[in-house]
Amino acid sequence: ETGVTQTPRHLVMGMTNKKSLKCEQHLGHNAMYWYKQSAKKPLELMFVYSLEERVENNSVPSRFSPECPNSSHLFLHLHTLQPEDSALYLCASSQGLAGAGETQYFGPGTRLLVL
Amino acid sequence: QKEVEQNSGPLSVPEGAIASLNCTYSDRGSQSFFWYRQYSGKSPELIMFIYSNGDKEDGRFTAQLNKASQYVSLLIRDSQPSDSATYLCAVRGSGNTPLVFGKGTRLSVIA
Repeated sequence: ETGVTQTPRHLVMGMTNKKSLKCEQHLGHNAMYWYKQSAKKPLELMFVYSLEERVENNSVPSRFSPECPNSSHLFLHLHTLQPEDSALYLCASSQGLAGAGETQYFGPGTRLLVL
Repeated sequence: QKEVEQNSGPLSVPEGAIASLNCTYSDRGSQSFFWYRQYSGKSPELIMFIYSNGDKEDGRFTAQLNKASQYVSLLIRDSQPSDSATYLCAVRGSGNTPLVFGKGTRLSVIA
């Protein structure tokens, strides 16, 4: 198991539900990320937080709402999702954003199915 | 739009052979380059990173970078069936930018 944990690992929700994904990193990192991985598509960066401030919103629909209460925790709040939002949602962290060789460490992901 | 291109595969190699995985990128100012391995149903795990032209070796893995050609590759020597996975190339551009990932190449090592 890595230093980045995610809960839940699997989630099934209807289009009218509201749910939240949680990510926690135990590595003392300052930057955290949400990615979406769909079948046959590259990893898509959704949001980036650095020192609890959002620094990147990669044109993500408003039905996805991130929250970073502190540098160790990151949430993704979900509401009125569509079936095409079904995917693996990965959280990652890194020490910082800049610098050659900056490494991202991934959590195990949440497999989301929207019915 | 910064792009990272990989052949989706599958790339099939016999056990014991050298597997060669290739990646090209569009941002000429890119600074650092990463290779991740992702087993089916699992999250990506970092194998290597490289940021200087030339070769970088780690065990059976060698990363090769040619910035003039905007090309990075990963060689896996003595391939094993356990190396069968999808290999993701990721590139960090110039400035304070997050990684951009390719779609990945699926490698199958045949025993």
